[in-house]
Amino acid sequence: SQTIHQWPATLVQPVGSPLSLECTVEGTSNPNLYWYRQAAGRGLQLLFYSVGIGQISSEVPQNLSASRPQDRQFILSSKKLLLSDSGFYLCAWRGWGTDTQYFGPGTRLTVL
Amino acid sequence: DAKTTQPPSMDCAEGRAANLPCNHSTISGNEYVYWYRQIHSQGPQYIIHGLKNNETNEMASLIITEDRKSSTLILPHATLRDTAVYYCIVRARTGLAYSGAGSYQLTFGKGTKLSVIP
Repeated sequence: SQTIHQWPATLVQPVGSPLSLECTVEGTSNPNLYWYRQAAGRGLQLLFYSVGIGQISSEVPQNLSASRPQDRQFILSSKKLLLSDSGFYLCAWRGWGTDTQYFGPGTRLTVL
Repeated sequence: DAKTTQPPSMDCAEGRAANLPCNHSTISGNEYVYWYRQIHSQGPQYIIHGLKNNETNEMASLIITEDRKSSTLILPHATLRDTAVYYCIVRARTGLAYSGAGSYQLTFGKGTKLSVIP
């Protein structure tokens, strides 16, 4: 069966520090991958999606970036964090020929 | 995607069936009804989806009215671990799903906060 992992689970970082969040998927090949952010009391905001290795599309301009160095690995990065980057970051995958997205456990990021 | 309306909160006694309604009166013919839930501080969890026929899986049943303007998610025997926010989403299947292209953003409304009471 397919599983999706995210780490770290929680992170507290100072303003201006770099960020790297990792997402990996097991049990499937060539998944579509997504990064979302969920701010407190608000809905999901799609940040990036990827249909394959090295292919990244950005939905919202910001100081974040994403990379997909391997088929089942998706990384969210920032060179300098802002206070507004705090939130719950979710990675999701979708298989080819299906419409259902499956989410990871999430990373709670607090920028101080 | 069609808009959905859900009650903001519901209570259910442990062991009883939880019936969560969703109105989607503007649903179009090619739009599916999806249900997800999010337990506090966890990622959203896919539950079930359907087009027009009732669906059942190991987690829940989905009952869609004949006119497709509303649906009900049924958790047959609610447990304390079913306490969560439940989201009803209506969206079209995109032909792009088979090619893999497209952002296919998933949008959650405010959902229904289900509290299962001992």
